[in-house]
Amino acid sequence: GENVEQHPSTLSVQEGDSAVIKCTYSDSASNYFPWYKQELGKGPQLIIDIRSNVGEKKDQRIAVTLNKTAKHFSLHITETQPEDSAVYFCAARKLTNAGKSTFGDGTTLTVKP
Amino acid sequence: NAGVTQTPKFQVLKTGQSMTLQCAQDMNHNSMYWYRQDPGMGLRLIYYSASEGTTDKGEVPNGYNVSRLNKREFSLRLESAAPSQTSVYFCASTLVGNTEAFFGQGTRLTVV
Repeated sequence: GENVEQHPSTLSVQEGDSAVIKCTYSDSASNYFPWYKQELGKGPQLIIDIRSNVGEKKDQRIAVTLNKTAKHFSLHITETQPEDSAVYFCAARKLTNAGKSTFGDGTTLTVKP
Repeated sequence: NAGVTQTPKFQVLKTGQSMTLQCAQDMNHNSMYWYRQDPGMGLRLIYYSASEGTTDKGEVPNGYNVSRLNKREFSLRLESAAPSQTSVYFCASTLVGNTEAFFGQGTRLTVV
């Protein structure tokens, strides 16, 4: 089955700096890679996703890059703000797999004002 | 539009007790899922229901049962709770052909 590894487990940055979270996956058949943000006491919420036919996707201050050959993908947050502080999860799955994603272990991001 | 609603939000059980976690979605989604989240770990799939009338095991199904009561509701049952089942449980749903999974707020379960 799919195995997703996520690094780092914790990340602390100063407000305004950039943050990068990296994930690797094992199943070359995976073709959909979502990123979720989980705030304290809440369920995860999708913030950005990328499909395997695309190398990069941006949405305002967040971007995701995918390297299919190396089987890794990364989340980039620029100009971080205190409200970006949360736990971020990467995930991987096949689009035909009825939504059964394999999740990374999460990264706790702290943005210091 | 409430999205995905889970009840209860918190529960304490004694070892051996049983309980059912409820989940309902009002987005007319086809597929529903139950995950557990343990400290320092990602979400692990317990069971899922690709469509009304079907259920399948996920990564960690032992000790759990599920019922897809109708298109809206998907319940998770612990027949004989064990301390190892102390966790936060999340229900999620997706629409066929769509990719985004919508999660509930979670149920924090403690088994003593």
